[in-house]
Order: sequence, then structure tokens, then C-alpha cells
Amino acid sequence: EAQVTQNPRYLITVTGKKLTVTCSQNMNHEYMSWYRQDPGLGLRQIYYSMNVEVTDKGDVPEGYKVSRKEKRNFPLILESPSPNQTSLYFCASSPTGAANEKLFFGSGTQLSVL
Amino acid sequence: AQSVTQPDIHITVSEGASLELRCNYSYGATPYLFWYVQSPGQGLQLLLKYFSGDTLVQGIKGFEAEFKRSQSSFNLRKPSVHWSDAAEYFCAVGAGGFKTIFGAGTRLFVKA
Repeated sequence: EAQVTQNPRYLITVTGKKLTVTCSQNMNHEYMSWYRQDPGLGLRQIYYSMNVEVTDKGDVPEGYKVSRKEKRNFPLILESPSPNQTSLYFCASSPTGAANEKLFFGSGTQLSVL
Repeated sequence: AQSVTQPDIHITVSEGASLELRCNYSYGATPYLFWYVQSPGQGLQLLLKYFSGDTLVQGIKGFEAEFKRSQSSFNLRKPSVHWSDAAEYFCAVGAGGFKTIFGAGTRLFVKA
């Protein structure tokens, strides 16, 4: 089954403790992206990747890192989480990232930073 | 600047009643427009999309949307709402440059 898999689904952590949210897709998509969803703000793009070893900042990249060492994986790294990063995070992918392609989404990761 | 506006934060309709969710966009060129639905605890799923041609597009689950260039709108409609339609709905524009711009979302509540 074609899917985007995120882990974990729920994560509670404390300020400053490094964490990684994993994302994997099995559709051989070149494009992957991370979003955060906050009430009243919709989804905002954090980082995206056009292919292996090619990444770029989205609209809200501060405090986040990403890497794309393999085509299927695109982890999101918070090296020193802060409470303002408490949010619902989604990973998404599409074949090439073209504007007319639909995005395939993971089920989300609810992060709470205390 | 490119943007998507969903004026209604939440809407409540009775089961069996009709539904219209509003979406306005700001984009310089012909837009690629999408509606996604997010059910509780799940990721976003595509309902329908518009690229060109017929301005009335049909989607899954009985939804349709109409593109009106003169009003910069892409409203989502359903003739008869079911309780299972309760969810959050996002309008989005494929903006190019590897970006999709989302609206803030409209949460739909369905009354029995």
C-alpha cells in the first residue's frame, strides 16, 4: 500500500532535549516536505526536499533541521526544542513537487514541549 | 503575495442539509487549486483539484467545487451532508517553487 509513515504519533519532551521525528515513503517520490499545523494558521511549510541531498527552507524553518540521505526518508530534527514548537507536524510527499501534484500525507505527529 | 483565505473557522450544519465551504485565493497566474480533508487523528486526504477546463469539478465522497476566476474563489459544496463528513477542510493553492499554500482550515460540525 502506498503510504507516508511518520513516527512517533505522539511525543512529549522537555525544553532543550534533542528529538527526531521520522518520515518514510514507499512511493519512490522525489519530493518530500514537512509542515506544522497550528490552530487558525493552517499548515505552514518548514523544510522541503526536491531529491536526495537537496533540501531548502520553507516558511518557518527556524529551530528545525532536516536531512535527505535516502530517497525514502526525510527526518525532522529539533536540536533544542522550545515550547513554541508544540504543534502537530505532518510529513508529505509527491512525485516531483510540481505545483499540480497532490500531496500524500502521513498521519501526523503531535509534539508537546514542556 | 500568494495567499489562501478560508473565512469561516467553523461551520455547523444539520445532517442531510447542504454545505458550502468558502475559499478565496490570491495568486498571479492561473492557479492549481485543491481541497483536502483531515479527519480526526489522520493526515490530509485529497478531495478534489482544479487545473483547467470545466470550472465545476467533482471529487470523492460526493463533494464538488466551482472555480470562479472573477471572484478568485474555489468554494466546496455537498448537497447532503452525512455525519461522517465532520472533519477539518483545507483549501490550497499549488504555487510553484515546490510550495503549496494552505488556508487556515474550516472545521465542520454535523448535527444529528
